[in-house]
Amino acid sequence: DQQVKQNSPSLSVQEGRISILNCDYTNSMFDYFLWYKKYPAEGPTFLISISSIKDKNEDGRFTVFLNKSAKHLSLHIVPSQPGDSAVYFCAATEEEETSGSRLTFGEGTQLTVNP
Amino acid sequence: ETGVTQTPRHLVMGMTNKKSLKCEQHLGHNAMYWYKQSAKKPLELMFVYNFKEQTENNSVPSRFSPECPNSSHLFLHLHTLQPEDSALYLCASSRTQGVWPQHFGDGTRLSIL
Repeated sequence: DQQVKQNSPSLSVQEGRISILNCDYTNSMFDYFLWYKKYPAEGPTFLISISSIKDKNEDGRFTVFLNKSAKHLSLHIVPSQPGDSAVYFCAATEEEETSGSRLTFGEGTQLTVNP
Repeated sequence: ETGVTQTPRHLVMGMTNKKSLKCEQHLGHNAMYWYKQSAKKPLELMFVYNFKEQTENNSVPSRFSPECPNSSHLFLHLHTLQPEDSALYLCASSRTQGVWPQHFGDGTRLSIL
């Protein structure tokens, strides 16, 4: 049973426009969420995170929104740049749990930003 | 410079071979992780070591054998693998287990003939 889902395997946007990547989760115990970006032939790199005590976290062009009641989070990239073309992974965990703590990942969304 | 280095980057082996994957981190972290990523699937946690002690084995078949001699090095020993084990194997580290984010290496692309 997949607890973190990214239902869009791919997304294509024009340079300068907004990219919105979505992620849904089913485990109500998840209280900390992360986004990673992965280029081909490289490992995932951490992008931005959000704790469940917030509903928004912003870092430059990247903003993550969390809707706890809907168990949904989204990553907004504004403005999108061709260098943002990568696979984006959503991950979730129970922040306070240290024993057996783990990240649960979604399947990823391939973002393509066209010049 | 990712801080987490994996070798080799690519590995092709037969089902009867024995090989090892190596991971080294230069970040001063105390937790290290092995993940498996198969095509079109989420990253799947395999093992966790925290301060050199194994704290998680996610029901991984015994043909995968991890080793963590110190907090900076992690190995994955492979023997008698199956074709379905072909995947990208990613190593990651974090300050301690449960302290996020993790930092990933670039992975070893493993192909079983």
